[in-house]
Amino acid sequence: DAGVTQSPTHLIKTRGQQVTLRCSPKSGHDTVSWYQQALGQGPQFIFQYYEEEERQRGNFPDRFSGHQFPNYSSELNVNALLLGDSALYLCASSRGTGNYGYTFGSGTRLTVV
Amino acid sequence: GQQVMQIPQYQHVQEGEDFTTYCNSSTTLSNIQWYKQRPGGHPVFLIQLVKSGEVKKQKRLTFQFGEAKKNSSLHITATQTTDVGTYFCAVFSGSARQLTFGSGTQLTVLP
Repeated sequence: DAGVTQSPTHLIKTRGQQVTLRCSPKSGHDTVSWYQQALGQGPQFIFQYYEEEERQRGNFPDRFSGHQFPNYSSELNVNALLLGDSALYLCASSRGTGNYGYTFGSGTRLTVV
Repeated sequence: GQQVMQIPQYQHVQEGEDFTTYCNSSTTLSNIQWYKQRPGGHPVFLIQLVKSGEVKKQKRLTFQFGEAKKNSSLHITATQTTDVGTYFCAVFSGSARQLTFGSGTQLTVLP
């Protein structure tokens, strides 16, 4: 039973560039949520995708966008990267909204220089 | 979303000692979830509590939800080096479809 798979594991980008992160949810899960975790802090909610639509969004600018595909996999896109976007980006999958707990992927470590 | 404060921020214990982390809210919580994140790792779901006064145990870990549903605790008995990591409490909001995490307690276990 595959867990949540994220790619790439590490990424270095330059300010102003764009980045795409990918996530394959756990088998049987249909909902994908994205979180940003800065060093030494708890994860912060970015948005959630269900049935290929963004169902809820946290306090993140429009530079952050996403997509969910028919196979439930998801992408997170960040445009016009800032130094402050450097963080661990976590994908979490669940069956439904997640009220029974999330399964997190190993994350993508993004460094913006 | 509902905010939770977590204390302490850091805790160093000698192997074999007990450890407790606390999660507090000024408002009544509908639920509380606990996650463990190993150094360099990702959060791993431990448990969810939903009932007032609920107590659940997982081997050496004991989770409690306060009677007023405004606080929760995680207690580890006789810590081991494998317990090292950051323990987060989190509140799930169904309407907001999101988890709001506490700031975490980073546990170091000295051999």
